[in-house]
Amino acid sequence: DTAVSQTPKYLVTQMGNDKSIKCEQNLGHDTMYWYKQDSKKFLKIMFSYNNKELIINETVPNRFSPKSPDKAHLNLHINSLELGDSAVYFCASSLGTGNTEAFFGQGTRLTVV
Amino acid sequence: QKEVEQNSGPLSVPEGAIASLNCTYSDRGSQSFFWYRQYSGKSPELIMSIYSNGDKEDGRFTAQLNKASQYVSLLIRDSQPSDSATYLCAVKKNSGYALNFGKGTSLLVTP
Repeated sequence: DTAVSQTPKYLVTQMGNDKSIKCEQNLGHDTMYWYKQDSKKFLKIMFSYNNKELIINETVPNRFSPKSPDKAHLNLHINSLELGDSAVYFCASSLGTGNTEAFFGQGTRLTVV
Repeated sequence: QKEVEQNSGPLSVPEGAIASLNCTYSDRGSQSFFWYRQYSGKSPELIMSIYSNGDKEDGRFTAQLNKASQYVSLLIRDSQPSDSATYLCAVKKNSGYALNFGKGTSLLVTP
């Protein structure tokens, strides 16, 4: 059983399109995250939800909108895709917002052409 | 000043040697520290967590934390070629809700 699963694994799309990435965790965790890893491999937090409530919204363009229908799911919708959005997007979850480790999904490699 | 700093490497060690990976952090209030391993094209995988000053050992891995110096390290004993990967240091601030990552150190273990 995959603990944190993302779909799709690869996404190639044209500039200006709108796309979504889905994430689900079966660990019973309360907190979920979206991280972006750029071409230089730097992993940067984008959003965090705790029990379906947004608790972190880093400096991310408004074109990115997370949605958490329940605490096991955190989806990421991106409007009007730009070339600079090309990156690997990782979903992660942790038991809570305390001093607990995060577990990552397999990542979604987004390529905007 | 970056919140979490690591030498990007690559760090090259011969098989069987000890690999030493270092990380410094800027927020003195940080409470939780983690080491992740990331193979090329894969997701970060948790190796170690450490919360108190001193050493924590798990198999061939030892994490060391010195909060006064704001320094955390990872030692890998008896390094194997399969240890070749990027090692990410992650720090959670006491007031924060997510992990802040360093840029990672690339480790190459040569046979």
